[in-house]
Amino acid sequence: ILNVEQSPQSLHVQEGDSTNFTCSFPSSNFYALHWYRWETAKSPEALFVMTLNGDEKKKGRISATLNTKEGYSYLYIKGSQPEDSATYLCAFPPIETSGSRLTFGEGTQLTVNP
Amino acid sequence: DGGITQSPKYLFRKEGQNVTLSCEQNLNHDAMYWYRQDPGQGLRLIYYSQIVNDFQKGDIAEGYSVSREKKESFPLTVTSAQKNPTAFYLCASFSPGSYTEAFFGQGTRLTVV
Repeated sequence: ILNVEQSPQSLHVQEGDSTNFTCSFPSSNFYALHWYRWETAKSPEALFVMTLNGDEKKKGRISATLNTKEGYSYLYIKGSQPEDSATYLCAFPPIETSGSRLTFGEGTQLTVNP
Repeated sequence: DGGITQSPKYLFRKEGQNVTLSCEQNLNHDAMYWYRQDPGQGLRLIYYSQIVNDFQKGDIAEGYSVSREKKESFPLTVTSAQKNPTAFYLCASFSPGSYTEAFFGQGTRLTVV
């Protein structure tokens, strides 16, 4: 089983707080790293697909960084809002499968209190 | 509009019966996936298929079977050999070589009665 780990498992913050989560993956097997947001009663939606070491991507108040050499990615949310409450998933498709075997971490469940 | 369609949304199965979950995509994606989610857990990979007429086992393939006769379709059969089939099942597709994101269906909630 491919080891994709996310931390923390859950997080409760107040509206306006900034927060960050971690996704760890096997650095020797890197092809790409995906981040998704999964809101209750909806399908997961993509945030970022990251491919290069040192990559930094941004979408509104959400940004992500990538370190392929040490095998981790950080997702940051600046000024959290209640609508940011969701489970944030990272997914890692290893190069040994030509990037096809899309394996997810357990996710970080974020709750933003008004 | 392009997307992935899963059906049915809810499914009830009697013990000992096989059931088939449908997944269809019109995104022209090469690869398709089936995941299972149990309460409090993440998405676990059941099977995936990179091309037509080929598929690979994921981490929890026992008790499941799939087929990929058409690029658009990737049905999942939950067999009577699956010991604990009650779960939420999610289908996804994407094209790995394009370094773009995956898209997901709405999911099927299967309950054994």
